[in-house]
Amino acid sequence: EAQVTQNPRYLITVTGKKLTVTCSQNMNHEYMSWYRQDPGLGLRQIYYSMNVEVTDKGDVPEGYKVSRKEKRNFPLILESPSPNQTSLYFCASSPGQGVGGYNSPLHFGNGTRLTVT
Amino acid sequence: GENVEQHPSTLSVQEGDSAVIKCTYSDSASNYFPWYKQELGKRPQLIIDIRSNVGEKKDQRIAVTLNKTAKHFSLHITETQPEDSAVYFCARNQGGKLIFGQGTELSVKP
Repeated sequence: EAQVTQNPRYLITVTGKKLTVTCSQNMNHEYMSWYRQDPGLGLRQIYYSMNVEVTDKGDVPEGYKVSRKEKRNFPLILESPSPNQTSLYFCASSPGQGVGGYNSPLHFGNGTRLTVT
Repeated sequence: GENVEQHPSTLSVQEGDSAVIKCTYSDSASNYFPWYKQELGKRPQLIIDIRSNVGEKKDQRIAVTLNKTAKHFSLHITETQPEDSAVYFCARNQGGKLIFGQGTELSVKP
C-alpha cells in the first residue's frame, strides 16, 4: 500500500531533550516536506526537500533540522525542543515539481502530536 | 506576499445547501491551487486542484474556480451532506513551496 509513515504518533517530552520524528514513504517520491498545524494558523511549512541531499527552509524553520540522505526518508530533528514547538506535525511527499514550480498532490502521513513541557 | 487569506473561518449550512469557501493571494507567479479536506483527527487529503491555465474544474459535487486577474480562487460544494463536515484548506505554490490558508471549518447540519 502506498503510504507515508510517521513515527511516533504521540510524543511527550521535556524542554531541551533532543528528539527525532521519522518519516518514510514507499512511493519513490522526489519531494518531501514537513508541516506543523496549529489552531487558527493552518498548515505551515517547516522544511522541504526536492531530492536526495537537497533541503530548503519553509516558512517556520527555526528550531528544526532535517536531512535527506535517502530518497524514502526525511526525519525531522528538534535539537532542543521548547514549549512553543508543541504542535501537530505532518510529513508529506509528492512526485515533485514540474514546469513553473511545485504542482503535484501531496500525500500526508498520519501526523505526530508533540507536547513539550 | 507569502500568505493565502481564506474565508470564512467557520461555515455552517443545512444539508442539501451549497457551501462556498474563498481564498485570495498576492503572488502573481502562483500557478497551482489545490484544496485539501481534513476530517477530525485525520490527515489532510487532496480533493481537487486547479492549474492556472484553466478557470474552472469540476468533480461531481465539488468545483473550483480561479480568477487569476483578481488573484482569488474558490471551492464550491453543492448538495452538501453531513460527511462533508470537515476542515478545508486552500493552498498555492510558490517556487518549491506549497503555502496553505488558515482553514475553514465546515459544518453540515442534517
